[in-house]
Amino acid sequence: DTGVSQNPRHKITKRGQNVTFRCDPISEHNRLYWYRQTLGQGPEFLTYFQNEAQLEKSRLLSDRFSAERPKGSFSTLEIQRTEQGDSAMYLCASSFGEQTRSSSPLHFGNGTRLTVT
Amino acid sequence: GNSVTQMEGPVTLSEEAFLTINCTYTATGYPSLFWYVQYPGEGLQLLLKATKADDKGSNKGFEATYRKETTSFHLEKGSVQVSDSAVYFCALKGADKLIFGTGTRLQVFP
Repeated sequence: DTGVSQNPRHKITKRGQNVTFRCDPISEHNRLYWYRQTLGQGPEFLTYFQNEAQLEKSRLLSDRFSAERPKGSFSTLEIQRTEQGDSAMYLCASSFGEQTRSSSPLHFGNGTRLTVT
Repeated sequence: GNSVTQMEGPVTLSEEAFLTINCTYTATGYPSLFWYVQYPGEGLQLLLKATKADDKGSNKGFEATYRKETTSFHLEKGSVQVSDSAVYFCALKGADKLIFGTGTRLQVFP
C-alpha cells in the first residue's frame, strides 16, 4: 500500500492558462474523491467517482473544471482558463465502498497546491 | 443539508494539559463520524472514527464518543504533547462523501 499519490505537488500558472492534476489512488479502492482546501478552511467536496463513473459533482465545480477517471484507476482534474480564485490546495482521496452508505474512511494524498498569478 | 460545526481556534495549551475540541453536526439519517488531523506540512490523516450512536473511537490517546442525543462528537485527550500540535478536522459521512468542519488549530507549548 503506497498510499494516494498526487502530482504535481506544486503548480504556478498565469491567469487564463489551463492546468491538469493527476491522482493515483490506493490500488484496491473503487472510490476516488476530489476536494479543494483554502487557507484556514476545511476541505470542500468537488466530485467523486465510483470506478469510472462520476456519481456526484458539487455546485462548486464550475464549467471550467472537469474530472475524469477513464479506466477506474487514476484520475485527472483539469481547470480551464484559470482565475486567481482557483488558487488552493487540491486534494484527492480514495476509499473502498460497496454500499450506498459506507463507513469506510477516505485516505488522502498530500495534495497539489495551485497558485494562479 | 448535512453540516459540521467545530469550535474556533487556536486552542493553546501547555504540555500535559487536558484537551477538548467541540464538534457538533447536523445530518439526516445515521452518518459515520470522523476526526482527521493535519500536521504542519503534511496531508490529512485519519485519527479516529465512530460509525453508530454510543460508539467510541480512539487512537494515540485521543477519544471521541458518537452522541446522537446531543449530535456531538467531541475530541478529547487526557494529556497533550508538543507533538500533538496540528489542525484537527471533524467530519461526517452520510451517503458517500465526507463533509468537513472548518478545523481547529491546536498549539501545545512545553
